[in-house]
Amino acid sequence: AQKITQTQPGMFVQEKEAVTLDCTYDTSDQSYGLFWYKQPSSGEMIFLIYQGSYDEQNATEGRYSLNFQKARKSANLVISASQLGDSAMYFCAMREGRRNTDKLIFGTGTRLQVFP
Amino acid sequence: DAGVIQSPRHEVTEMGQEVTLRCKPISGHDYLFWYRQTMMRGLELLIYFNNNVPIDDSGMPEDRFSAKMPNASFSTLKIQPSEPRDSAVYFCASSPGTGVFTDTQYFGPGTRLTVL
Repeated sequence: AQKITQTQPGMFVQEKEAVTLDCTYDTSDQSYGLFWYKQPSSGEMIFLIYQGSYDEQNATEGRYSLNFQKARKSANLVISASQLGDSAMYFCAMREGRRNTDKLIFGTGTRLQVFP
Repeated sequence: DAGVIQSPRHEVTEMGQEVTLRCKPISGHDYLFWYRQTMMRGLELLIYFNNNVPIDDSGMPEDRFSAKMPNASFSTLKIQPSEPRDSAVYFCASSPGTGVFTDTQYFGPGTRLTVL
């Protein structure tokens, strides 16, 4: 079974609008971390935001927020006031804690296109 | 602070040649990760180190691949002999090692390898 599922291969959004990128995860661990990365066309992987499984509040970083619904095992990324520079691939990732593993498990990504 | 540094940024070589990719992690980070990204397989973890010691190399495709970390500020990933199917973007990432699942990995710009 997939540990991280991103069901949207591609998304379009108009500039200045908000967009939600979906991510669901599968783990039996109580302790885990969820991460979102952005990969623009230039290729680098840019860390955006982190949510811990014990965090009671949704994480926010500027225009990025994470809609964390633990019971549904979802960690959707919300980008508010989209900008043309937000056009990129977005990856959701998880790090499980139980077995003291240091690995990040990545989803397949969502390509976001922001149009004027 | 400088981020993760990788060299070269682009490498084109012929099948059978030896290829060496280099990485300098962020100073003070205890963990170093090597990833490979292809369209077909997405992001794959190849190997990672903790305090210069290889912890998990289960992702290394075969004996043609080897990685070393002689000190805290330098790591290499070597492919010998290279094959066309090794063509990919190779990322190095590092993390502070502050917690089991809260650690954030920071990626380098990647090396785009093309094996002809």
